[in-house]
Amino acid sequence: AQSVTQLDSQVPVFEEAPVELRCNYSSSVSVYLFWYVQYPNQGLQLLLKYLSGSTLVKGINGFEAEFNKSQTSFHLRKPSVHISDTAEYFCAVSEGNTDKLIFGTGTRLQVFP
Amino acid sequence: DSGVTQTPKHLITATGQRVTLRCSPRSGDLSVYWYQQSLDQGLQFLIQYYNGEERAKGNILERFSAQQFPDLHSELNLSSLELGDSALYFCASSVVGRGETQYFGPGTRLLVL
Repeated sequence: AQSVTQLDSQVPVFEEAPVELRCNYSSSVSVYLFWYVQYPNQGLQLLLKYLSGSTLVKGINGFEAEFNKSQTSFHLRKPSVHISDTAEYFCAVSEGNTDKLIFGTGTRLQVFP
Repeated sequence: DSGVTQTPKHLITATGQRVTLRCSPRSGDLSVYWYQQSLDQGLQFLIQYYNGEERAKGNILERFSAQQFPDLHSELNLSSLELGDSALYFCASSVVGRGETQYFGPGTRLLVL
């Protein structure tokens, strides 16, 4: 069964510093990968997704992620974070012929001034 | 604003009761998904409907049921409620096709006392 692991439950970082949020997945077949962000008291919003093609995917708000098939990873990065990036970030995968998303446990990014 | 609406925003009820959560998808989206977000289980896929028909099922309890109506809105029915059913319930919608972005509503926060 497919699963998603987000190793870091919390990532504290200072404003304007770079950040990487880690995501690893397990699947024996090709997958589609997603990063969603959840701001306090809101629903989830798609940051970016990987379906095929270039392994470097650019998303909204300056975020990007790199798909690494050999390492089964899809880490999210931002070169310089803002206070407004403080939120919960979820990595998700879908595989096979289903559309359902399997989510990781989430990483809380806290940006300090 | 994702275009997906959910009502009610909050719901407080007692154990043993039954509630109905409602979701209106984005205009043109035929697929509706229900997810449960709780502290101990994280974000879990419950069920998917496509154009009125059940398409995929996740870890949905037998006490829970859903349906999608001809106007494409969906309802999630939760019965014989238990304390552990307290959670945030999200609805998402998408167009047809694998890898399509799922747009999430703001969620319904259910508290079972």
